Amino acid sequence: GQQVMQIPQYQHVQEGEDFTTYCNSSTTLSNIQWYKQRPGGHPVFLIQLVKSGEVKKQKRLTFQFGEAKKNSSLHITATQTTDVGTYFCAGLRNFNKFYFGSGTKLNVKP
Amino acid sequence: ETGVTQSPTHLIKTRGQQVTLRCSSQSGHNTVSWYQQALGQGPQFIFQYYREEENGRGNFPPRFSGLQFPNYSSELNVNALELDDSALYLCASSLLPGQLNLHGYTFGSGTRLTVV
Repeated sequence: GQQVMQIPQYQHVQEGEDFTTYCNSSTTLSNIQWYKQRPGGHPVFLIQLVKSGEVKKQKRLTFQFGEAKKNSSLHITATQTTDVGTYFCAGLRNFNKFYFGSGTKLNVKP
Repeated sequence: ETGVTQSPTHLIKTRGQQVTLRCSSQSGHNTVSWYQQALGQGPQFIFQYYREEENGRGNFPPRFSGLQFPNYSSELNVNALELDDSALYLCASSLLPGQLNLHGYTFGSGTRLTVV
């Protein structure tokens, strides 16, 4: 079964609108990583969060790790067509097992 | 510095057959993980090798096995193929495993396996 839940499954936005995807785990995670996969491509590492309540920013992208280390979010401000792709979270459990969420597919209309 | 390379890129096998997929990790990386990604789904963790030893395994049956070689390249072997094994198989390498991995995994482009 799915160890890490991710919502929404799909998101269609107009260019310039904001976008958020959420990741939830039933158990505490050691850390969480975020990846982006373009259509037909492979996952590309974006960032890792380790500390409870951690917030990191990369230009228009803001990543958050929940206080209980069970949830995380990725927020994109003012989306651009280059943001199109599927965004995955991957939570680390039991030291060496990464569990990927099912991904949120983002489509940006120009 | 080369990235992660996987071979072959595409493969068609018959149910019941065996398959070996290969992965060359990024230069300097001693940890390799394998993932199965079905269409429209997230990658599912199969197992991880660190310095030639398996040090983590997901919920996959024993007919999924692997190896890591002294040069840190890796193989994924699947015996008794089933139709549901059809998927994209991704290899990912990193400098260190698990919690020690601060820079994420570098993924290869994958092998698309079709079982008929």
